[in-house]
Amino acid sequence: RKEVEQDPGPFNVPEGATVAFNCTYSNSASQSFFWYRQDCRKEPKLLMSVYSSGNEDGRFTAQLNRASQYISLLIRDSKLSDSATYLCVVILYGNKLVFGAGTILRVKS
Amino acid sequence: GAVVSQHPSWVICKSGTSVKIECRSLDFQATTMFWYRQFPKQSLMLMATSNEGSKATYEQGVEKDKFLINHASLTLSTLTVTSAHPEDSSFYICSAQYGSTNEKLFFGSGTQLSVL
Repeated sequence: RKEVEQDPGPFNVPEGATVAFNCTYSNSASQSFFWYRQDCRKEPKLLMSVYSSGNEDGRFTAQLNRASQYISLLIRDSKLSDSATYLCVVILYGNKLVFGAGTILRVKS
Repeated sequence: GAVVSQHPSWVICKSGTSVKIECRSLDFQATTMFWYRQFPKQSLMLMATSNEGSKATYEQGVEKDKFLINHASLTLSTLTVTSAHPEDSSFYICSAQYGSTNEKLFFGSGTQLSVL
């Protein structure tokens, strides 16, 4: 089983739609969780951290479910500019980030 | 904000040659830098952790003699792909940590290596 698993998609949604991604992780000792965004052949950029209490940043909401070992990302009112690959990232130990393979989002007008 | 510069962005080389990729933290000191490799439609895979002034720590399955890492200063780490072959063609990306929190991790813009 992979350490971090994501549905690769692609998720094709119209502008204005709400879309949600899930990500599961295998190591229950994982401490920190993040969502990154990566555009084609560009560096990943931190979108938001994920906490057990959940956190929201504008149109983006992230949740962590430790019991079920998954994290989620909800995007409301999708914009064309949201089209990208969304990477689930888990810190297993030390400062080593383990990346999921990413979920592709395509927002269309 | 903190910036990490990675050069070159693109490299095309013949099989058997060596390629050096530089990763610089421009406005902060990074005691630890990380090197990743990403094949098409796959996740970023950590290759090694580069520590200033000491030997790099390689992940399982990564050949340390093929992927030479040097972290000679607090602002520069280099990855040299020695005797590159077509299967080494990939997107290589570095990251540098600013401070002690994981949220302060900045990525270089990546290097696309194509070995003919």
